[in-house]
Amino acid sequence: NAGVTQTPKFRILKIGQSMTLQCTQDMNHNYMYWYRQDPGMGLKLIYYSVGAGITDKGEVPNGYNVSRSTTEDFPLRLELAAPSQTSVYFCASSTQGADQPQHFGDGTRLSIL
Amino acid sequence: GEDVEQSLFLSVREGDSSVINCTYTDSSSTYLYWYKQEPGAGLQLLTYIFSNMDMKQDQRLTVLLNKKDKHLSLRIADTQTGDSAIYFCAEDAGNTGKLIFGQGTTLQVKP
Repeated sequence: NAGVTQTPKFRILKIGQSMTLQCTQDMNHNYMYWYRQDPGMGLKLIYYSVGAGITDKGEVPNGYNVSRSTTEDFPLRLELAAPSQTSVYFCASSTQGADQPQHFGDGTRLSIL
Repeated sequence: GEDVEQSLFLSVREGDSSVINCTYTDSSSTYLYWYKQEPGAGLQLLTYIFSNMDMKQDQRLTVLLNKKDKHLSLRIADTQTGDSAIYFCAEDAGNTGKLIFGQGTTLQVKP
């Protein structure tokens, strides 16, 4: 099994451009999450989803959008890229239950110039 | 709001024990977690502890929880160079499955 797969691994955007960060998981997990990790900081939750068709805001949702049309995929959309969105983005998934570990992808390094 | 604090850096010699400390604020957290992040990789769950426990041991890892002081620690026995990484403490915010992470502690293991 591949686990959680994120693409692309690296990307440079110009201010004002848009892009979609892809995330897919093959573990049939209901719960999926998007985090951002700024240098020297922990992860901040952007959006999460408890199942197909259901999404909700996390701690830092401004400037991002998500959709969850299938169990496997949870893309993150940046509509108007800003330098403050330069970060490493991690997608994670888990089964239901606080005792179930979140499985993380390897991250997408995004620079906005 | 919820907050998780960790010291930023710890350096130990190979073979010594490492102790990484964490404080949290949400007393309703049911589970507390330790994650490990190696360079260029995502986070990997190391261990977790249920809030009604005060200790959990898993091979070289020992987790201690002081719920009164909201203090969590991770002890790594016989630390190896392969343990060099960033270690994140996290709490389950309001028992929702959403995690609140600390800033991470960089563990440097010297040969």
